[in-house]
Amino acid sequence: SQTIHQWPATLVQPVGSPLSLECTVEGTSNPNLYWYRQAAGRGLQLLFYSVGIGQISSEVPQNLSASRPQDRQFILSSKKLLLSDSGFYLCAWSVRGRGINSPLHFGNGTRLTVT
Amino acid sequence: RKEVEQDPGPFNVPEGATVAFNCTYSNSASQSFFWYRQDCRKEPKLLMSVYSSGNEDGRFTAQLNRASQYISLLIRDSKLSDSATYLCAVLYSSASKIIFGSGTRLSIRP
Repeated sequence: SQTIHQWPATLVQPVGSPLSLECTVEGTSNPNLYWYRQAAGRGLQLLFYSVGIGQISSEVPQNLSASRPQDRQFILSSKKLLLSDSGFYLCAWSVRGRGINSPLHFGNGTRLTVT
Repeated sequence: RKEVEQDPGPFNVPEGATVAFNCTYSNSASQSFFWYRQDCRKEPKLLMSVYSSGNEDGRFTAQLNRASQYISLLIRDSKLSDSATYLCAVLYSSASKIIFGSGTRLSIRP
């Protein structure tokens, strides 16, 4: 069966510090991968998605970046965190392919607090 | 206008009641639709996919109305454990991206 691992679960970082969140998927090949952010009491905002190694689509301009160095690995980074980067970061995967009614499956999330 | 919109609620209903949520989407090219449930401070979990002909899973029924561009979720005989936030999601398969509504909060009271 497929599993998705996301770490760390919680993180407290000072303003201006770098960030690296990692997500890996097991038990499937060629997944679509996604990063979402959820601010407190708000909905899910799509940040990045990837349909293959090295292919990253960015949805919202910000000081975050994403990379996919391996097929089942997705990394979210920042060189300098802002207070507004605080939130609940969720990685997710889905089956790749057009016309497939494939839902997202989420990791447990990382709760980031920028101080 | 947001791509996917939901009434944020909260909906506060008694145990055993029937409750329904709607979710509207703006892009007619949307191809797949889903309902997720999110408990406080947890990740969203898939509740059900929404099929064109409508589908039912126990007490939950999902419907799709492409002409009016909305999906709905009906919960019958609600339980205390149904209290959560319900998120609708829309897949644009041409771009492989999935957009979520902001969620509807449901609270079931004894």
